[in-house]
Amino acid sequence: DGGITQSPKYLFRKEGQNVTLSCEQNLNHDAMYWYRQDPGQGLRLIYYSQIVNDFQKGDIAEGYSVSREKKESFPLTVTSAQKNPTAFYLCASSSYDRPNQPQHFGDGTRLSIL
Amino acid sequence: DAKTTQPTSMDCAEGRAANLPCNHSTISGNEYVYWYRQIHSQGPQYIIHGLKNNETNEMASLIITEDRKSSTLILPHATLRDTAVYYCIVRVDSGGSNYKLTFGKGTLLTVNP
Repeated sequence: DGGITQSPKYLFRKEGQNVTLSCEQNLNHDAMYWYRQDPGQGLRLIYYSQIVNDFQKGDIAEGYSVSREKKESFPLTVTSAQKNPTAFYLCASSSYDRPNQPQHFGDGTRLSIL
Repeated sequence: DAKTTQPTSMDCAEGRAANLPCNHSTISGNEYVYWYRQIHSQGPQYIIHGLKNNETNEMASLIITEDRKSSTLILPHATLRDTAVYYCIVRVDSGGSNYKLTFGKGTLLTVNP
């Protein structure tokens, strides 16, 4: 089945450590996105990529980094510079072929601090 | 993107229709209305979207008023598995700048047995 796979489902980070969240899609979508969700809140955009080897900052990019070396993959690194990384991280993708195509989401990675 | 207003919570009896309202009075002519839902600890699930006309798919129906200032998502026969937070989002068609979805706090729909 086509879809978006995020791994791991749960992740723990030590102080001063960088961690990388994986996002893979087999929907042949051009655009991919990373959002952060805090308890009881809506989603906030971290980074997005419309095409391979290109990406743009979203609303809360500080302390995060991404890469887009392959169409299928858009990993997110939470660096030690992100002082409040505990959150639910969601990856999404969408097609660029037609306008207004909806974004489809993975099942998220929950990151906690040890 | 236009702001939306939704009730904080709603209840519905199992098997009955669930009608979830959304107000988007500042919507502009090229903004689409999208509905997503999120079950606890899962990613948001796309439900339906539309511009002016009413839309229906296998999950739900979307009714948009003629002035486009409000819309209603209808789940025709709600089940317990439809218990979730439902988000109404309006987003402009930027002709390819297909990026940020702005999620508010949504409506918590609880389907009761």
